[in-house]
Amino acid sequence: DAKTTQPTSMDCAEGRAANLPCNHSTISGNEYVYWYRQIHSQGPQYIIHGLKNNETNEMASLIITEDRKSSTLILPHATLRDTAVYYCIVRVRYSGNTPLVFGKGTRLSVIA
Amino acid sequence: EPEVTQTPSHQVTQMGQEVILRCVPISNHLYFYWYRQILGQKVEFLVSFYNNEISEKSEIFDDQFSVERPDGSNFTLKIRSTKLEDSAMYFCASTQAGEGKRELFFGEGSRLTVL
Repeated sequence: DAKTTQPTSMDCAEGRAANLPCNHSTISGNEYVYWYRQIHSQGPQYIIHGLKNNETNEMASLIITEDRKSSTLILPHATLRDTAVYYCIVRVRYSGNTPLVFGKGTRLSVIA
Repeated sequence: EPEVTQTPSHQVTQMGQEVILRCVPISNHLYFYWYRQILGQKVEFLVSFYNNEISEKSEIFDDQFSVERPDGSNFTLKIRSTKLEDSAMYFCASTQAGEGKRELFFGEGSRLTVL
C-alpha cells in the first residue's frame, strides 16, 4: 500500500502557483519521493523526484522538508491543462523490479 | 520524444473470450509493467517483467493473466477468459535499466469492456 498521505482535492486559480502537499512520515533513508500525475483517463505521467534536496525541472519544483517527512509539489503557474490527479509516491530509486504503488492522489482543479 | 504505444485503444469483448493487449515499450528500456485502473478507482499494479521473465506480480495477476515479449519489441498481456470485473483501463509502462533515471513511462492505455 501507498505510504503517503495527500489531500483528496484542491482548487487553484489559473496562473497562480499550485502547492500540493504530501506526508510521508515513515520514509526510509534510501527512498525517494516521486510525483506523477494522471490527466483524465490518460496514462500516468512522471513529473519529478527527489531524495532530500529541493529539485526543479521544466514542469515543477519539489520541496522536501529537512526531516524528509513531508514534501510539496509546486506548479509555479498553473494552467487549465494542469487539472489532473497528482500522486506522491515513495520508492527506492534503483529498483526497476519494485512496482510503483499508486494511492488515491490529490485531484487538482485549475479554475479560470 | 520516445513513447510507449498501446493497441487497441478500446476493445469490447464477450465474457469468457480471450483478449490480448499489446504494448510497444520505449526501445532502450528493459523493465516492463502492466497496470490497470477500474473506472473511478486507483491505478493498480499487475505485473513487472525483466529479462524475459516475470519479476513481480500482484494478487490480481492470477492464472487467467499471462505476459510475454514474443519478438523483442512487443510486450503483451493476455487475459484467457475474461470476466465482467476485468473491464478497466490497462496501462503498459517501461523504464530503463542501469544508473540513469528510473521514472516509468506509461502508454495511453487500452480500455477493455467486457459484456
